[in-house]
Amino acid sequence: NAGVMQNPRHLVRRRGQEARLRCSPMKGHSHVYWYRQLPEEGLKFMVYLQKENIIDESGMPKERFSAEFPKEGPSILRIQQVVRGDSAAYFCASSPGQGAQNIQYFGAGTRLSVL
Amino acid sequence: GQSLEQPSEVTAVEGAIVQINCTYQTSGFYGLSWYQQHDGGAPTFLSYNALDGLEETGRFSSFLSRSDSYGYLLLQELQMKDSASYFCAVRDAGGYQKVTFGTGTKLQVIP
Repeated sequence: NAGVMQNPRHLVRRRGQEARLRCSPMKGHSHVYWYRQLPEEGLKFMVYLQKENIIDESGMPKERFSAEFPKEGPSILRIQQVVRGDSAAYFCASSPGQGAQNIQYFGAGTRLSVL
Repeated sequence: GQSLEQPSEVTAVEGAIVQINCTYQTSGFYGLSWYQQHDGGAPTFLSYNALDGLEETGRFSSFLSRSDSYGYLLLQELQMKDSASYFCAVRDAGGYQKVTFGTGTKLQVIP
């Protein structure tokens, strides 16, 4: 049973380009969360999705950032027109469903570097 | 909203016991979790407390007092591999039941 899979592990972009981060949840998990982490800091909640629905995007900047979790395929976190301040580790986590969200299973993260 | 406070750093000796505290302020509360993260790695779930009291899992125990909005993670028989960051996290009792993480405590285990 594969864990949460994120790709790519490392992503380098120049300012103004787009970054697309992918997350495949654990098998059987229907809830996905995205977090951002700066060096030596905690995990900042960005967005919580269920299949085809955004449940809570209160932690995601209104501009340039978007997320989706389609019926088929991985969840995508998309950052348009990246800036240097977007450089961070982005972690995805999944959980089986409501009532089980106290346990989140994390992927290895995507380290985004903006040049 | 929610906020959590943890010490930023703790140093302890191999073989000893260390306690990492977490206080929280929430508009609703459903449970307190603990996660471990090694440098460059992914956070991994350690424990969860929904009710007051102590939960024990091997060398790790977690405690919760809902009346004090306080919990702690206790690590016994410390090993060098326990050097990592430890995050407490609260689950919102609101409709979305979002999980909010603390800023983390960096534990350094020394020989």
